[in-house]
Amino acid sequence: EPEVTQTPSHQVTQMGQEVILRCVPISNHLYFYWYRQILGQKVEFLVSFYNNEISEKSEIFDDQFSVERPDGSNFTLKIRSTKLEDSAMYFCASSGNAFAGDYGYTFGSGTRLTVV
Amino acid sequence: KQEVTQIPAALSVPEGENLVLNCSFTDSAIYNLQWFRQDPGKGLTSLLLIQSSQREQTSGRLNASLDKSSGRSTLYIAASQPGDSATYLCAVLPSGTYKYIFGTGTRLKVLA
Repeated sequence: EPEVTQTPSHQVTQMGQEVILRCVPISNHLYFYWYRQILGQKVEFLVSFYNNEISEKSEIFDDQFSVERPDGSNFTLKIRSTKLEDSAMYFCASSGNAFAGDYGYTFGSGTRLTVV
Repeated sequence: KQEVTQIPAALSVPEGENLVLNCSFTDSAIYNLQWFRQDPGKGLTSLLLIQSSQREQTSGRLNASLDKSSGRSTLYIAASQPGDSATYLCAVLPSGTYKYIFGTGTRLKVLA
């Protein structure tokens, strides 16, 4: 069964450093998303991306965050200057249709980001 | 603003029991509702997707129902097994948006 692949599985970074989280969505999917889950809290939407542009973003997704599809297969989330409160599990997801279609979203296994 | 609530927050049952997990949402204008499973420290595995026009979906021992007008969904797990132990998350996709709104989950433990 097709999978969404995320790397690395765990990243530790110092406060103020830039991090890039990488995702390889399912190959024929066109819609891409980032979510995050702070330990013990709900999964929260960050951003959706279609046709090389952001289609929707949450209040969390401020100027410190950016997304990119650099080469037609990868989908990245960059945090420019990490803060302690950015520590969370970050999930990438993809879907073949707008508004999830018939199959919903497929989520990756996540990247655990720890900011120290 | 759409809010999603799941009860109970935690559940512990002996192996073999049938059980029901509940999800409620405040705004009935949704595209669909998706149930996920999350193992500790792991990703989200999709279990069932119910479109807003559907009443239920089944996969193996799992059955999910949707009553959109009352803002409720239930996930029924038949003949529970220790391998079912995980957190179960409900998420709704409000109309006109790309963002799923998640509940806080039900942490299930099935005892052997």
